[in-house]
Amino acid sequence: QSALTQPRSVSGSPGQSVTISCTGTSSDVGGYNYVSWYQQHPGKAPKLMIYDVSKRPSGVPDRFSGSKSGNTASLTISGLQAEDEADYYCCSFVGSYTFDFGGGTKLTVL
Amino acid sequence: EVQLVESGGGLVQPGGSLRLSCAASGFSFSNYWMHWVRQVPGKGLVWVSRINTDGSSTSYADSVKGRFTISRDNAKNTLYLQMNSLRVEDTAVYYCTKGGATVLDNWGQGTLVTVSS
Repeated sequence: QSALTQPRSVSGSPGQSVTISCTGTSSDVGGYNYVSWYQQHPGKAPKLMIYDVSKRPSGVPDRFSGSKSGNTASLTISGLQAEDEADYYCCSFVGSYTFDFGGGTKLTVL
Repeated sequence: EVQLVESGGGLVQPGGSLRLSCAASGFSFSNYWMHWVRQVPGKGLVWVSRINTDGSSTSYADSVKGRFTISRDNAKNTLYLQMNSLRVEDTAVYYCTKGGATVLDNWGQGTLVTVSS
């Protein structure tokens, strides 16, 4: 069982927005502003999409945004596109330079 | 372009050992923390271990502490993971990742480790 809780699946139609939540505790998500989000297509390596809660690496579309409130972080994808269909994982720094991941959310673009 | 190429995976019996390598290129390897993350096929990601820039500081997940050792050779731009006393539950794809103290920003393609009799 993962330390961070994500919904197993979410879905949306092209052009719509979806939000994926990531719930932890005050020892991880709530305690640090070091939440990151990773996208993983089938058979591929994960790709960093958001870091430090809301920062986007170079090359990641601004349709992807991150936020945090208390012990819950969120990834929002606006203007859904077919290529956004993938698994998404949140990750939080948990002190002593260790990390916890969420269980992953499968995004389906209808 | 950042490239991380893992090698050393394969089939090993329970109780056995394996050493994974990760050859890095396209960036100044000695300036970055490095991590290992694993994924059971069809399941989620699990952080395994990290090492700082000069190898003087390491951390491990509880599940591998005392059995796995992370190390690096900055002269060879290579990261290692020595895995001893392997268990069936260590079966996974192992990813080498570049990053910092708080983020994993580039990932290799992974190498599969299968622990089975």
